[in-house]
Amino acid sequence: DQQVKQNSPSLSVQEGRISILNCDYTNSMFDYFLWYKKYPAEGPTFLISISSIKDKNEDGRFTVFLNKSAKHLSLHIVPSQPGDSAVYFCAARPNRDDKIIFGKGTRLHILP
Amino acid sequence: EAQVTQNPRYLITVTGKKLTVTCSQNMNHEYMSWYRQDPGLGLRQIYYSMNVEVTDKGDVPEGYKVSRKEKRNFPLILESPSPNQTSLYFCASSSLQTGTEAFFGQGTRLTVV
Repeated sequence: DQQVKQNSPSLSVQEGRISILNCDYTNSMFDYFLWYKKYPAEGPTFLISISSIKDKNEDGRFTVFLNKSAKHLSLHIVPSQPGDSAVYFCAARPNRDDKIIFGKGTRLHILP
Repeated sequence: EAQVTQNPRYLITVTGKKLTVTCSQNMNHEYMSWYRQDPGLGLRQIYYSMNVEVTDKGDVPEGYKVSRKEKRNFPLILESPSPNQTSLYFCASSSLQTGTEAFFGQGTRLTVV
């Protein structure tokens, strides 16, 4: 039973355009959502997060949107750059005392 | 520098030969966990620990053991490795006080032949 779903295994986007990565979740009790970025041969690194009390959080080129009624969140990268090519994991946790649950990841390719 | 350190980075072993992958963090984090990453399956949690002497099974605990005798260390033990445990393993830690992001180690690529 997948509680955090990333339905697109891969995504290709032209450099300079917007990249939109999507994530759906099933547990309405999730309190905190996170995005991680992973390069080959490295561990995942934290990118951006959002609390369930918000619907948007922005950090430079990265913006995360949360739609609680649809149990959906998305990560927008504008403009996309070659260094953004990586695997992106969506994650959620029920509360600060609980474990993080990860999606399967989406591989983003930024095309020159 | 805040970091999670795993050793070894690469390991090839034979079926049945016990091994331990070490994990250490220098951030005084309460929460530590182990994940394995396999193609098409993403990150799956093996075990986690909320604090010293407190460990719990994750989603795929079979064939693994852990211990948390000290706050900074969380070793992953494979008593009798099998080929289906060939994978990329990550250790992570996070603070239950701030409750936000987890810091990951660089990963251990294990091959069991």
